[in-house]
Amino acid sequence: GAGVSQSPSNKVTEKGKDVELRCDPISGHTALYWYRQSLGQGLEFLIYFQGNSAPDKSGLPSDRFSAERTGGSVSTLTIQRTQQEDSAVYLCASSWGAGAEQPQHFGDGTRLSIL
Amino acid sequence: AQTVTQSQPEMSVQEAETVTLSCTYDTSESDYYLFWYKQPPSRQMILVIRQEAYKQQNATENRFSVNFQKAAKSFSLKISDSQLGDAAMYFCAYRSAGSGTYKYIFGTGTRLKVLA
Repeated sequence: GAGVSQSPSNKVTEKGKDVELRCDPISGHTALYWYRQSLGQGLEFLIYFQGNSAPDKSGLPSDRFSAERTGGSVSTLTIQRTQQEDSAVYLCASSWGAGAEQPQHFGDGTRLSIL
Repeated sequence: AQTVTQSQPEMSVQEAETVTLSCTYDTSESDYYLFWYKQPPSRQMILVIRQEAYKQQNATENRFSVNFQKAAKSFSLKISDSQLGDAAMYFCAYRSAGSGTYKYIFGTGTRLKVLA
């Protein structure tokens, strides 16, 4: 079956522009995570969605970052007024539920480059 | 707060040989999960192996095994009979087992090179 799909694969934009990153989780997966992976770093948690519960936005680095998940499926991560430090790979992962026994399935990520 | 440390930025291993990647973590919790993820150049993270802290037996998945030392808060990954396809970034991760918790904490990764 289809895995987690992220688009675009690569995005280059000018500083100050807004960008929107998309994540299509595996069908039926209720949990969805966004991570940021900067060069030479591990994965930094950004936001978590679980079913219809309010998302955990505690990892979002600033109010320029926001995310939504429509209909419990597709999620979009929006970065407004992009800065050069936003350059990173943004990874999305989904799982059947919130339990740790449910493995995360990752997408290929979006590489964001801010000029 | 929990932390995960991978002190080896890069490791090399000869094809068919064995290599061990190190990971230490810090937590005050008694029940948690530990993971090793592999990230090849394609960027897609793949779960390699998982260990539940309450299980004393070390997890094994084919050529991959862990040495889990709970008291020492150490969780190393051993790759036996290394193959060219094992070349990747390897990340160690921690997750609390408590209800209502779901955050994964990742280390900074170890780049593994496999030499032919």
